[in-house]
Amino acid sequence: GAGVSQTPSNKVTEKGKYVELRCDPISGHTALYWYRQSLGQGPEFLIYFQGTGAADDSGLPNDRFFAVRPEGSVSTLKIQRTERGDSAVYLCASSLIYGQMLHFGPGTRLLVL
Amino acid sequence: LAKTTQPISMDSYEGQEVNITCSHNNIATNDYITWYQQFPSQGPRFIIQGYKTKVTNEVASLFIPADRKSSTLSLPRVSLSDTAVYYCLVGGTNFGNEKLTFGTGTRLTIIP
Repeated sequence: GAGVSQTPSNKVTEKGKYVELRCDPISGHTALYWYRQSLGQGPEFLIYFQGTGAADDSGLPNDRFFAVRPEGSVSTLKIQRTERGDSAVYLCASSLIYGQMLHFGPGTRLLVL
Repeated sequence: LAKTTQPISMDSYEGQEVNITCSHNNIATNDYITWYQQFPSQGPRFIIQGYKTKVTNEVASLFIPADRKSSTLSLPRVSLSDTAVYYCLVGGTNFGNEKLTFGTGTRLTIIP
């Protein structure tokens, strides 16, 4: 079966622009996570969905970041008024049960110029 | 939150057994211990998960002492392809006020 997929694989944007990053989890996985990873660092938790609802969004750095999962499957991470400091790899993961055996996607590499 | 501490880096020769230890002094009763492997430009990949004692699968073993305040990932007979960053993650199945937090990981380099 297909793993977690993320699109686009790379995104270059200008400071101040709006971007959307998409995640397609493994079919049937109710738990979905977004992480952000900077060079040389471990993944940083952003938000966790259980089904359609954001069970924990405490990792979102500020109100420019928002994520949705309207039908409990595909999720979109939205970043408004991008800043250069938002440049990172954004990772999505899914799992059957919260906290167990997360399956990660390849990530979206975001570069804000 | 159960924070984890791992060595920043390790080197080993091909064919040797490698043991990477993770400290998690504040582990909670419901927390599982999970190890992930990450290659450059890829997302982390699940290796092994355990709760107590010993778990073994086709790629690794995980040793957890009785007090569960640490765990050791054991990679038998490593090869060059095992060069990667390894993360220890501690978290529970009962979601509460906790996040699945990655540390900085251990960068393992296998020397030919």
